[in-house]
Amino acid sequence: KNQVEQSPQSLIILEGKNCTLQCNYTVSPFSNLRWYKQDTGRGPVSLTIMTFSENTKSNGRYTATLDADTKQSSLHITASQLSDSASYICVVKGSNYQLIWGAGTKLIIKP
Amino acid sequence: DVKVTQSSRYLVKRTGEKVFLECVQDMDHENMFWYRQDPGLGLRLIYFSYDVKMKEKGDIPEGYSVSREKKERFSLILESASTNQTSMYLCASTMAPSGGQDTQYFGPGTRLTVL
Repeated sequence: KNQVEQSPQSLIILEGKNCTLQCNYTVSPFSNLRWYKQDTGRGPVSLTIMTFSENTKSNGRYTATLDADTKQSSLHITASQLSDSASYICVVKGSNYQLIWGAGTKLIIKP
Repeated sequence: DVKVTQSSRYLVKRTGEKVFLECVQDMDHENMFWYRQDPGLGLRLIYFSYDVKMKEKGDIPEGYSVSREKKERFSLILESASTNQTSMYLCASTMAPSGGQDTQYFGPGTRLTVL
């Protein structure tokens, strides 16, 4: 069964600290993996998209990694800011229009 | 700048009512999608459309229908709203056809409550 699992479910860190969010997937065939950021009460916004051949991709303070062999991805946030408080969603694209969405990790940055 | 708008941010309806949720995008995108988002679950695809008047069922189409009469507009219809349709509804659009790194652009969402 195609699944995307994210951990932790929620995370609280202090402003300025780094953190890493995890995503494990069992989607086949694999097309690409995306990370989205969703602010409360808003629609998701794309952070990164990675294909099979890409190991790492950065977008400012966000760095995503992908290990296609172990079917794992991580999103690392450096020097967190209060505006990073949001849900972070991992999405894996399979065949055609199929997108498998993770339930997300809720990140809270405390001052 | 990319823009996807949804007709309402918050909506309260009664059981049995017919509900229309409208989504408009100004990017000339071919593909449009309707999702629902519930706590603890990933987004679930209800319907999508890859062209005007074309539609495909997603993972959970029961109780819903859609309409795409114009390229920029994609409507979600709840024929007879039920309490289990209380949810956040998100509309998205994307340019590329299937395959490729087609980023989905989302609207702000409509939080629907069915009493």
